Amino acid sequence: AQKVTQAQTEISVVEKEDVTLDCVYETRDTTYYLFWYKQPPSGELVFLIRRNSFDEQNEISGRYSWNFQKSTSSFNFTITASQVVDSAVYFCALGQAGTALIFGKGTTLSVSS
Amino acid sequence: EAGVAQSPRYKIIEKRQSVAFWCNPISGHATLYWYQQILGQGPKLLIQFQNNGVVDDSQLPKDRFSAERLKGVDSTLKIQPAKLEDSAVYLCASSPLAAYNEQFFGPGTRLTVL
Repeated sequence: AQKVTQAQTEISVVEKEDVTLDCVYETRDTTYYLFWYKQPPSGELVFLIRRNSFDEQNEISGRYSWNFQKSTSSFNFTITASQVVDSAVYFCALGQAGTALIFGKGTTLSVSS
Repeated sequence: EAGVAQSPRYKIIEKRQSVAFWCNPISGHATLYWYQQILGQGPKLLIQFQNNGVVDDSQLPKDRFSAERLKGVDSTLKIQPAKLEDSAVYLCASSPLAAYNEQFFGPGTRLTVL
């Protein structure tokens, strides 16, 4: 069975702090994709990143970075120097080519000024 | 490029009533998904279409939910009759067929069943 676990339900930080959102997944497939989505209060899911199972390179995009480790089945997301606009619910998801995504329960990030 | 459109954005109904949601995917996207997101949880697939055909409806409560995608473009999701536990956000997403790209999500329809 496939599963995505986001153990952190809520995280609160103060602006400019760094924060890491954890994601652990389970799958028996050798080829799969991992995703992070952001859901602001408006409700729309915003795509942040996709990573395939053969690419374990870490990725950095501005203040965002992702650490993919197959050995621990983890795909963690770090926001550096957090800002109030980063406040949202963040979802980690797992999928195969052409299939629906399996989402974790999400982590609510609150950044205060 | 226009995104995924959904309507209505909000709907309040009494239990046992029926309701329908509409989705217009991104032009050219062959695959369309309907997800249900209950408060405090991640989205869960209800049904997946590829062009006109159903790929996966294993988690669709078929005794009360139905969906169709006419001409491989727009899609409607219907609930009849609605139950209290159907209160959720219904998200439509689309993705291209040729390669596995990220799914693009619409703004969702927030359904409240009283």
